[in-house]
Amino acid sequence: AQSVAQPEDQVNVAEGNPLTVKCTYSVSGNPYLFWYVQYPNRGLQFLLKYITGDNLVKGSYGFEAEFNKSQTSFHLKKPSALVSDSALYFCAVRSGSARQLTFGSGTQLTVLP
Amino acid sequence: GAGVSQSPSNKVTEKGKDVELRCDPISGHTALYWYRQRLGQGLEFLIYFQGNSAPDKSGLPSDRFSAERTGESVSTLTIQRTQQEDSAVYLCAATDNRANYGYTFGSGTRLTVV
Repeated sequence: AQSVAQPEDQVNVAEGNPLTVKCTYSVSGNPYLFWYVQYPNRGLQFLLKYITGDNLVKGSYGFEAEFNKSQTSFHLKKPSALVSDSALYFCAVRSGSARQLTFGSGTQLTVLP
Repeated sequence: GAGVSQSPSNKVTEKGKDVELRCDPISGHTALYWYRQRLGQGLEFLIYFQGNSAPDKSGLPSDRFSAERTGESVSTLTIQRTQQEDSAVYLCAATDNRANYGYTFGSGTRLTVV
């Protein structure tokens, strides 16, 4: 079985400050990890992924995420938040043998001007 | 097409009626998924199609739900005798065989059962 936990339903951060959206996972074997963003009335958009290699992954719009195997975490980060980053963020995991992604419950990020 | 298209974008239906939701995936993307997103919740896996293989229906919540896909083309998700708890956004996603590249999602169909 595979599962994802996003412990924070809501994250608020001031514009220009660094942001972190937390994600932990559980999976058999090596994980494939993803972050998606959802703007209002839109489908999910791919941000970044970790498959193998460097633990620090860089993605779209200045976002990055760090894979930590010992802590089974894949937190999303950005050094300087923008108001336009306000959206719903989903972490997802897949094991090598699974055919579908399992998504977390989502974290609503609000960047305050 | 360039993206995953879903129709209709919004559907309001009366309890007990049947509805059909459509997904038109990216050409060449052999894998297609349906997910359900209830208000304020994460994505719930419903069904997965891969080419001409038998679909993985393990996520369908009841026998009122069914889905079809012919080859690598359009898919339809049918909900029979709709109930109010079926109200949600239904998302379709497609990917090529390199599934580690993640999914491309459609904009979803917002279903409201009144």
